[in-house]
Amino acid sequence: DIRMTQSPASLSASLGETVNIECLASEDIYSDLAWYQQKPGKSPQLLIYNANSLQNGVPSRFSGSGSGTQYSLKINSLQSEDVATYFCQQYNNYWTFGGGTKLELK
Amino acid sequence: EVQLVESGGGLVQPGRSLKFSCAASGFTFSDYAMAWVRQAPKKGLEWVATIIYDGSSTYYRDSVKGRFTISRDNAKSTLYLQMDSLRSEDTATYYCARHPYGYTPFDYWGQGVMVTVSS
Repeated sequence: DIRMTQSPASLSASLGETVNIECLASEDIYSDLAWYQQKPGKSPQLLIYNANSLQNGVPSRFSGSGSGTQYSLKINSLQSEDVATYFCQQYNNYWTFGGGTKLELK
Repeated sequence: EVQLVESGGGLVQPGRSLKFSCAASGFTFSDYAMAWVRQAPKKGLEWVATIIYDGSSTYYRDSVKGRFTISRDNAKSTLYLQMDSLRSEDTATYYCARHPYGYTPFDYWGQGVMVTVSS
């Protein structure tokens, strides 16, 4: 099974700041990597797929990068509505999620 | 507008069974694979099962193989999950999710249904 390790587990940032979340796969997943946002009490929403492709309707302040086993999600100019938990997911071999990163406002 | 609406969760005793459903609308259901993903309270996401567009192939995580059955009725645009021999560790919110055929991300999710396994 492919394991996904996300860091940090929690993060506190100020409005307008740039935030980075990392995801490490236990083996090469060939950019088969997605990022999801889950707000409290809501279902997850797809933000990024294929490591760096923005899902329709997602603000351009979100971006993804990476290859091989290392990937990251970047949020530019943090907004209050970005407070959520973020999950990475590999879909190269079945589907595995990272443990999540809880993003809060400082 | 794509909509996925789960129903049928609840409280069930260990060892018993439960079946719930996900009604889809706003897209051609038979064109897509569908999945169940669960989230234990205050925990992360865990893929449970996937069924391809025509129901001819299904895939399960190891911990539910032989106990859970994913199925679909394309005429009713409905996805199902039959859960047998339930355990306390199956307690979670269960989401149905849509994804294109093959190994792809989940682009739409339902609102989730809570399942509590407890005596």
